[in-house]
Order: sequence, then C-alpha cells, then structure tokens
Amino acid sequence: GAGVSQSPSNKVTEKGKDVELRCDPISGHTALYWYRQSLGQGLEFLIYFQGNSAPDKSGLPSDRFSAERTGGSVSTLTIQRTQQEDSAVYLCASSLAGGEQETQYFGPGTRLLVL
Amino acid sequence: AQRVTQPEKLLSVFKGAPVELKCNYSYSGSPELFWYVQYSRQRLQLLLRHISRESIKGFTADLNKGETSFHLKKPFAQEEDSAMYYCALADTGRRALTFGSGTRLQVQP
Repeated sequence: GAGVSQSPSNKVTEKGKDVELRCDPISGHTALYWYRQSLGQGLEFLIYFQGNSAPDKSGLPSDRFSAERTGGSVSTLTIQRTQQEDSAVYLCASSLAGGEQETQYFGPGTRLLVL
Repeated sequence: AQRVTQPEKLLSVFKGAPVELKCNYSYSGSPELFWYVQYSRQRLQLLLRHISRESIKGFTADLNKGETSFHLKKPFAQEEDSAMYYCALADTGRRALTFGSGTRLQVQP
C-alpha cells in the first residue's frame, strides 16, 4: 500500500511569510508525528497526534509553529512569519497506534528554505 | 531528559571489515531503542529494534544497560550498507522518538 506522503517536496519562501506543510499518513494509522531535521543535526521532535486525544505539542520551538490533524488523517504543519533558522527538512511519520515499541513510518520530507 | 549520543559523524571502512556504530543514551526509565537507516535518496526506515533481538541485513545491536549503550554491529560490511544511521530512543510517556545526530557509514570497495 501507499506509504506516508508529504507535500510539497521542496518549498522556498521569503523571511516573514507563512508556510503550510502537508502530511498524509498511512491509512489506518492513528498516530502521527512531525520531526525537523536541521543541517548537521539529528531529528528533532515537534508534535504528536494520537487519535482524538489532545496533541503533544511539547516539541514545538515557538508559537509561530502550529499543527492540526483533520478527521484523524491528514495533518498540516504551519509556520508563521518564517525565519531563516526555520530552514530544515520537515519529516512526518505515522504508526499504527502510537505505542512506544511500534515502527514509525516516515515520509520523504519537505525541504524548506527560508531566504 | 532523555538523550541519545552518536559520537561519530562519519565512519569509513573497507568492504569486508567489521563495523560498529556507537550509540549511548541517557534515560531514567526502561528504554525502548531503535536503529533507523536512511539510504541515499530514500526515506528514513527502521533497521532494527532492541525488543526484537533480531538480525537485519547482518546487523545486530545489543542493549547494555550497565554502559547505557546500544551499539550497532556487523561482522563484514558491504558496499550497500553505506547510509546514514540514526539511533533512537522511545519515550514511554511522550511516544515520540529522541534521535541521535546520526553516523554516516561509508563502505569503500
């Protein structure tokens, strides 16, 4: 079946603009994660959705970052008033039920460049 | 707070040589540890997890709680093993993964 998909694959924007990144998880997966990979850094957790529970937003770096998940499926990560330090690859992952032993399946990522 | 450390950014070996990718962690609970791999132009994918005690593509990893390590090993490296390897720890409370900074493995012919 189809894996996790993300769009756009690349995004170039100007400092101060808002951007929206989209993630389509694997069908039937109730858990969805957003991570960020900055140049030379490991993956940094941003936000986690599990079913209808309130999302875990503990990894969001500032209030310019927000995310939503509609209908328990597609998720959108929004970055307002982008800054150059927001340039990174944004990865989305999903897992079946969010258990800590479960495999997380990753999308191809969105490469964001803020000029 | 939990932390995962991969001390080597780059590990270069010749084909047929043994490989050990180091991973150390700090976590107050009982850790769930994973190795993820990213081959060139492919997405990040699970290689193995400690709970399964499995060998995947010839790789094994043993959890050593005394040394807080989860090193990835393979006795004979192959050129197709060249990739970026990430060690990760699952937080039982938060469910998200804490990743190390990654080690690039280069297997030369």
